[in-house]
Amino acid sequence: EAGVTQFPSHSVIEKGQTVTLRCDPISGHDNLYWYRRVMGKEIKFLLHFVKESKQDESGMPNNRFLAERTGGTYSTLKVQPAELEDSGVYFCASSPRTGRGYEQYFGPGTRLTVT
Amino acid sequence: GQSLEQPSEVTAVEGAIVQINCTYQTSGFYGLSWYQQHDGGAPTFLSYNALDGLEETGRFSSFLSRSDSYGYLLLQELQMKDSASYFCAVRAGGGYQKVTFGTGTKLQVIP
Repeated sequence: EAGVTQFPSHSVIEKGQTVTLRCDPISGHDNLYWYRRVMGKEIKFLLHFVKESKQDESGMPNNRFLAERTGGTYSTLKVQPAELEDSGVYFCASSPRTGRGYEQYFGPGTRLTVT
Repeated sequence: GQSLEQPSEVTAVEGAIVQINCTYQTSGFYGLSWYQQHDGGAPTFLSYNALDGLEETGRFSSFLSRSDSYGYLLLQELQMKDSASYFCAVRAGGGYQKVTFGTGTKLQVIP
């Protein structure tokens, strides 16, 4: 079974540019989450999809961040325009809707650096 | 909202036992999870407690006391490869399985 994959692994962009991060969850996992970890701080929740629907987007910092999950498969997180404080590691995680839904499988993360 | 507290750093000797505590404040509590993250890696699931008591998985055990809003992760027979950050995470709230992570405890295992 393939794990959660994320692309790109690293991205360096200038302030004001746009970046789109992609996450492919484990096949069959209805739950998809985006998190961000900044400079060794907590893993901060951004939002949660159940299939293609946004269940909870309370952690999204502002309207410069836009997440989509068309068709309930892969998800994208777009940052436009990027600011310096957006730098960090963005993790995606997925879990099944039933059974061990409490166990989240994390992707390797995308390290975003905004200069 | 939810808040969690855990020590920022812990140092322990190889072969010893270490306990990482986690206290939380939340409403609509479902359960407490623990994740391990090595530097540069992805967090990986270790354990989940929904009910009071101790759950054992090999060298790792996790404990929960719902009445005290407290849990801990116990690592036995420490190995150098256990050096990593350990996060407790609360699954709570009225929505679908929202998980809030603590700030993490950086464990350093020394020879």
